[in-house]
Amino acid sequence: EPEVTQTPSHQVTQMGQEVILRCVPISNHLYFYWYRQILGQKVEFLVSFYNNEISEKSEIFDDQFSVERPDGSNFTLKIRSTKLEDSAMYFCASSEFWNTEAFFGQGTRLTVV
Amino acid sequence: AQKVTQAQTEISVVEKEDVTLDCVYETRDTTYYLFWYKQPPSGELVFLIRRNSFDEQNEISGRYSWNFQKSTSSFNFTITASQVVDSAVYFCALTLVGQGGSEKLVFGKGTKLTVNP
Repeated sequence: EPEVTQTPSHQVTQMGQEVILRCVPISNHLYFYWYRQILGQKVEFLVSFYNNEISEKSEIFDDQFSVERPDGSNFTLKIRSTKLEDSAMYFCASSEFWNTEAFFGQGTRLTVV
Repeated sequence: AQKVTQAQTEISVVEKEDVTLDCVYETRDTTYYLFWYKQPPSGELVFLIRRNSFDEQNEISGRYSWNFQKSTSSFNFTITASQVVDSAVYFCALTLVGQGGSEKLVFGKGTKLTVNP
């Protein structure tokens, strides 16, 4: 069964360092997303991506964040200079069309120390 | 603004009991989709169901059933004869027909369900 794959499963980084979270969406999907979940809290939308550009982003997604689809399979989230409050579980998701269900990866737990 | 409220923070039941998880949503749009996701202790988000705003028919899938009522803006989820493996955090979510056709999920805070043997 096709699935969204995220790597790494857990990343520890020092405050101020750049981090790249990687995702391989389901191959025939056209819409890609990043969400985050601070421990014990709800899942929050960060950004959606379609046709090689950002479709929508939340207020959380400031200039420190960027996304990229560097090739036909990967979808990455970069945090330029990490802060302690960036510590969270980051979920990648993809959907076939805009109005179909999004399938989530298993998440990357980012810990900023 | 869109909002999803899951008033039950935690629920604890004994195996084989039925349990209902409540979800109330707010939106001014007439076209939207409602979802339920399950987050087991392992952390991933597992899609359970999607329902569009024009389809108020209740749905049953095995031990799971969903009751969508537009009149009360609710989309409740019932697990019949609960099992220990149902223990998880359950999230209700709402999405609109966004500009540019993108889909942005607005999640509730989740309900942690513990099923005890």
